[in-house]
Amino acid sequence: GDSVTQMEGPVTLSEEAFLTINCTYTATGYPSLFWYVQYPGEGLQLLLKATKADDKGSNKGFEATYRKETTSFHLEKGSVQVSDSAVYFCALRTQGGSEKLVFGKGTKLTVNP
Amino acid sequence: EPEVTQTPSHQVTQMGQEVILRCVPISNHLYFYWYRQILGQKVEFLVSFYNNEISEKSEIFDDQFSVERPDGSNFTLKIRSTKLEDSAMYFCASAYLGAKRETQYFGPGTRLLVL
Repeated sequence: GDSVTQMEGPVTLSEEAFLTINCTYTATGYPSLFWYVQYPGEGLQLLLKATKADDKGSNKGFEATYRKETTSFHLEKGSVQVSDSAVYFCALRTQGGSEKLVFGKGTKLTVNP
Repeated sequence: EPEVTQTPSHQVTQMGQEVILRCVPISNHLYFYWYRQILGQKVEFLVSFYNNEISEKSEIFDDQFSVERPDGSNFTLKIRSTKLEDSAMYFCASAYLGAKRETQYFGPGTRLLVL
């Protein structure tokens, strides 16, 4: 079945460091891909998405490119801030049926001042 | 900005007891979902609901689970006889229609602890 494999955490960075969180997927067809973020005590919020190959999703300085050839959707940010500390989830949306989301395990990011 | 809300935020129950987790989806959304996350594990799909019926359910969603939309605003998940392994964070999500359906909006979750 469809699955998402995400870089294990936790990840600890200093402010202004470069961030990469790796995400690869296995799916039939051409799923849509998502990054969700969960700040402490809050629900899952959509960070960015891409719906077809070579699309780049971006939001709040974060970017991810849908790479069909490597079945990847890595999350990057050039300069992280303390406020980016959160858990990041990569997910795909299955095609057909209820189009549920299939998630990775999540990566906890801590950014120190 | 409209948001999905969930109550309670935390619930502690004894094994074998029934629990009802409540969700208020965004008002014009038509697709509703429950997911759960056991501590340290992936967020897992449980069930989806559309047009007053279940549209898909996972293997986890056995006869002990049920969902209901009792009125125009609430969406509930009931666990009839809780087990220790039901301890998890439960997330409700809702989505609109058509191309916008692909964005599911999540609530803050209910942390369920079964003792």
